[in-house]
Amino acid sequence: AQSVAQPEDQVNVAEGNPLTVKCTYSVSGNPYLFWYVQYPNRGLQFLLKYITGDNLVKGSYGFEAEFNKSQTSFHLKKPSALVSDSALYFCAVRDIRDDKIIFGKGTRLHILP
Amino acid sequence: DAGVTQSPTHLIKTRGQHVTLRCSPISGHKSVSWYQQVLGQGPQFIFQYYEKEERGRGNFPDRFSARQFPNYSSELNVNALLLGDSALYLCASSLRLTEAFFGQGTRLTVV
Repeated sequence: AQSVAQPEDQVNVAEGNPLTVKCTYSVSGNPYLFWYVQYPNRGLQFLLKYITGDNLVKGSYGFEAEFNKSQTSFHLKKPSALVSDSALYFCAVRDIRDDKIIFGKGTRLHILP
Repeated sequence: DAGVTQSPTHLIKTRGQHVTLRCSPISGHKSVSWYQQVLGQGPQFIFQYYEKEERGRGNFPDRFSARQFPNYSSELNVNALLLGDSALYLCASSLRLTEAFFGQGTRLTVV
């Protein structure tokens, strides 16, 4: 069965420092991977995706993610964190059999001023 | 360009009542999916419709149903509401097998 794991409930980073939010996945076949961000009382905003191609994917707001097939990981990264990056981040994988998206449980990112 | 729009944004219902949530996808998107997000958890897949046909169903009871109209808008219906149905209900539209774009959600509170 397809699944996504986000091992950290919360990540704290000082403003200006690099940040990483971890994600591992389990899929049969080639993975379609996504990162979404959710601000309080809001829906999900798409950040970036990996379908095929370069292992380093660049997305919105300066975020990027590194796809690692051997480690089945898709970690979200940003070189320099902003206080406004504080939010709930979800890693997700698309199940091509029925087109549903399977989400991780989310990681709350706190950027400390 | 208009994004995914959902209505209403908030509503409060009593146990046992019925509720209908509505979603309009991004223009040109023929796929609409529904997700339930309970506080503190990631969204859980409920239904997916493509070209007005159900293409996927999550592990939800038969009290949950949905449909898609010729203009690709969609409704999610929940009968015999339970307290545990209180959640943020998210609608997403997409082209097949690409990223999904989500609406702002409908916050349902069952009392």
